[in-house]
Amino acid sequence: DVQLVESGGGLVQPGGSLRLSCATSGFTFSSYWMSWFRQAPGKGLEWVANMNQDGSEKYYVDSVKGRFTISRDNTKNSLYLQTNSLRVEDTAVYFCGRETHGNFDSWGQGTRVTVSS
Amino acid sequence: EIVMTQSPATLSVSPGERATLSCRASQSVSSNLAWYQQRRGQGPRLLMYGASTRATGIPARFSGSGSGTEFTLTINNLQSEDFAVYYCQQYKNWPPVYTFGQGTKLEIK
Repeated sequence: DVQLVESGGGLVQPGGSLRLSCATSGFTFSSYWMSWFRQAPGKGLEWVANMNQDGSEKYYVDSVKGRFTISRDNTKNSLYLQTNSLRVEDTAVYFCGRETHGNFDSWGQGTRVTVSS
Repeated sequence: EIVMTQSPATLSVSPGERATLSCRASQSVSSNLAWYQQRRGQGPRLLMYGASTRATGIPARFSGSGSGTEFTLTINNLQSEDFAVYYCQQYKNWPPVYTFGQGTKLEIK
């Protein structure tokens, strides 16, 4: 079975950093684009960033450009999101997702990030 | 940015009946449209892609239609597990700026 498990969330002060991880299993990780999403409390879904199979292409939503960095380690079947200069408005549950031609056929359960002083 | 607008925000339907959910794009996305179901406390689940193709394991009571700017998700014979929030998502842009609708909450009448 395909599995994606996020971790690394927590409570952080504005301006702080967190590194989110997404551990995967059950499929050939190195063959897929992967994405990060987030969902603010009581709100809808927002695509945050994605990366191609070998990491040579990365794209971000405008609101996180210059602050967040997506990366992957194909030897560990894992995806990462380094989040820096965090703002209160970055508070959300962060999900990773497996991408197939622009849609997302597998998702994790999410990890919660709270940015508050 | 392509803005996706879903209606209604909340839909109340009785089990066994049909639900019709709408999604509108601010510009044409051709058939580059997906639908997702999200139950409370869970990650989303892909239902449809290419506007009308069911994802693996999705029951035939789910169907999708539309192209361009107007799309519909229809759920026939509603089951208890279908009451959830549904999102549409466009994937026309390249480089990607994938955008979602704000969601439709399907609740038991």
